[in-house]
Amino acid sequence: ETVLTQSPGTLSLSPGERATLSCRASQSVSGSNLAWYQQKAGQAPRLLIFGASSRATGIPDRFSGSGSGTDFTLTISRLEPEDFAVYHCQQYGNSPWTFGQGTKVEIK
Amino acid sequence: QVQLQESGPGLVKPSETLSLICTVSGGSINSHYWSWIRQPPGKGLEWIGYIHYSGNTNYNPSLRSRVTISVDSSRIQFSLKLTSVTAADTAVYYCARGTAAWGQGTLVTVSS
Repeated sequence: ETVLTQSPGTLSLSPGERATLSCRASQSVSGSNLAWYQQKAGQAPRLLIFGASSRATGIPDRFSGSGSGTDFTLTISRLEPEDFAVYHCQQYGNSPWTFGQGTKVEIK
Repeated sequence: QVQLQESGPGLVKPSETLSLICTVSGGSINSHYWSWIRQPPGKGLEWIGYIHYSGNTNYNPSLRSRVTISVDSSRIQFSLKLTSVTAADTAVYYCARGTAAWGQGTLVTVSS
């Protein structure tokens, strides 16, 4: 099983700042099939990034994904008030599919 | 635009079978992977398994002995069955198409 480790667990930042979230896999993710989701309280996860670096439909360009192999990064260039949430990574390149434990981005 | 909606009992007794249905609108189950994912209260997401539109299934090894995912002949519904549930199975259960389309989720509590 491919274990995904997200860091940090919590990120405390101010609006306008840059957020850098990490997702590290215990083995190489086939095809860079890695997704990033945003989840707000009481809501379903919303897809932000698929294929490690492709933005989903309607996602602002302040969200970007990068990486390959075992190391992946989600960057939010300038945090807007609505971006404070929990972010999950998921790999769907290796069986079984797995999720990271999540990173909470909170207002400092 | 495809939409998904979970339905089923919100309360299941220990040792019984949890059964949920995901209804697809704006599309049909003729392409993609169709998954179930769950999230215990206050915790992270756990992938349960998927069914490919071809009928192939793949399950989380930790749940494989208790899980069945199947597609209805109408091809607008797919289901989840989880047997011998315990309190540890209490969670919000989501259905999803691939990575992009998720249902709103339904809370299932396991309690006597």
